[in-house]
Amino acid sequence: GAGVSQSPRYKVTKRGQDVALRCDPISGHVSLYWYRQALGQGPEFLTYFNYEAQQDKSGLPNDRFSAERPEGSISTLTIQRTEQRDSAMYRCASSSQGSNTEAFFGQGTRLTVV
Amino acid sequence: AQRVTQPEKLLSVFKGAPVELKCNYSYSGSPELFWYVQYSRQRLQLLLRHISRESIKGFTADLNKGETSFHLKKPFAQEEDSAMYYCALRSGSARQLTFGSGTQLTVLP
Repeated sequence: GAGVSQSPRYKVTKRGQDVALRCDPISGHVSLYWYRQALGQGPEFLTYFNYEAQQDKSGLPNDRFSAERPEGSISTLTIQRTEQRDSAMYRCASSSQGSNTEAFFGQGTRLTVV
Repeated sequence: AQRVTQPEKLLSVFKGAPVELKCNYSYSGSPELFWYVQYSRQRLQLLLRHISRESIKGFTADLNKGETSFHLKKPFAQEEDSAMYYCALRSGSARQLTFGSGTQLTVLP
C-alpha cells in the first residue's frame, strides 16, 4: 500500500478481553513505532522496532501490553485483560533508515473498552 | 526528561490574520523539533522540522534555544489551515518523538 495501514480502525471490547492491533508499515521501512493518544492529549510513545528487534519498550505502561514484529514488517500490539483506562487512539508510524528520516503515521485504531 | 508544552488548546483567528501557535520545550541537550498537523479525518502528518529551515504551506518555525521555543507562524491564515497542530521533539539518539498536547486552530471566514 501507499501508506501505513492499521487495523481495525475501530475496536470495542469488553473489559477483561484481550485485543490485538495490527500495523502494516510502508514497504521497506526499517523502523516502526507505536504511540497511544488519550482524548485531549498528544501521542505518547509506547515502543519501537528496528527490523524485528524491539529497541525500546520503555513506554509500555505495564506488562499487559506487548508488541512484536517477527518478520521485520507487520507489527502487532497486544493488550491483555483490557481495562477501561486502556481506551485511546493507538497510532503506528514507520520510517526508513537514517537519523533524519520522517515518520509516517497510520490512521490509528480507536479502542474503546466497555 | 524531555517535555513539550503547547499552552493553547484552542486558537481561533480570522482568515487573512496572522497566526502563531506556541510551543515550548524542556531538554538539556540539542533537540530536533517538529510540527505535525492533523486535518479533519486525515492521518497525522509532518508539517515541518527545524533542521530544514523551510516554509511549508506558508508556515515557518524558528528554533529559539535561549527561550526553548519553536513557535509556528503564518502571516496570513487560510480557512484550509484549520486543523490540530502538534509540536514534537526528538532527543539525542532516541528515535521516538515526544509530543505536546496539541492546539486546535480554527480559521474563521
